[in-house]
Amino acid sequence: NAGVMQNPRHLVRRRGQEARLRCSPMKGHSHVYWYRQLPEEGLKFMVYLQKENIIDESGMPKERFSAEFPKEGPSILRIQQVVRGDSAAYFCASSPADGIGTEAFFGQGTRLTVV
Amino acid sequence: AQSVTQLGSHVSVSEGALVLLRCNYSSSVPPYLFWYVQYPNQGLQLLLKYTTGATLVKGINGFEAEFKKSETSFHLTKPSAHMSDAAEYFCAVTTLNNAGNMLTFGGGTRLMVKP
Repeated sequence: NAGVMQNPRHLVRRRGQEARLRCSPMKGHSHVYWYRQLPEEGLKFMVYLQKENIIDESGMPKERFSAEFPKEGPSILRIQQVVRGDSAAYFCASSPADGIGTEAFFGQGTRLTVV
Repeated sequence: AQSVTQLGSHVSVSEGALVLLRCNYSSSVPPYLFWYVQYPNQGLQLLLKYTTGATLVKGINGFEAEFKKSETSFHLTKPSAHMSDAAEYFCAVTTLNNAGNMLTFGGGTRLMVKP
């Protein structure tokens, strides 16, 4: 059973471009979480999705950021018109259910560098 | 809302010495607590978790943590450090008030192990 797959692992974008980060959850997992890790900081929750639904997006910046988890295919985190401050590691986690204490499995992350 | 504070962003121990990584949390409702380990350029791996029941929790790689409600703490310990334990460690909390398993992370503690 493959783990959570994120691609690309590294992404370089110029200011003003769009960044698309992909996350394929573990097989059988229908719950996806996105976190952002700024340099020298812990992870900050961004958004929680189930198939075709955004459940909690309280951690998402109000502008330029969006996320989706379609019925088919990976979850996508999209950042429009990137700025230097968007440079960070973006982690996706998936779980089979939303019960408290259910382990969330993390991908290896996408490291976004904005130049 | 909840929060996590990890005292000491960097901890250095000698190989074979006791490892103690501190974590204090703040929550108005019963917390569910986790410790994750992150190796360089990798995702997060669950070390152990506390949900209910026994307050002393044993995890992988010889680590354990004790939930102390009166001290709002969940410190991570290991009797004897190995070189392979060098990594970054994150304490995290969630509660029933959160959607799904949304985690709030501490800032992380980088553990260095000297030969």
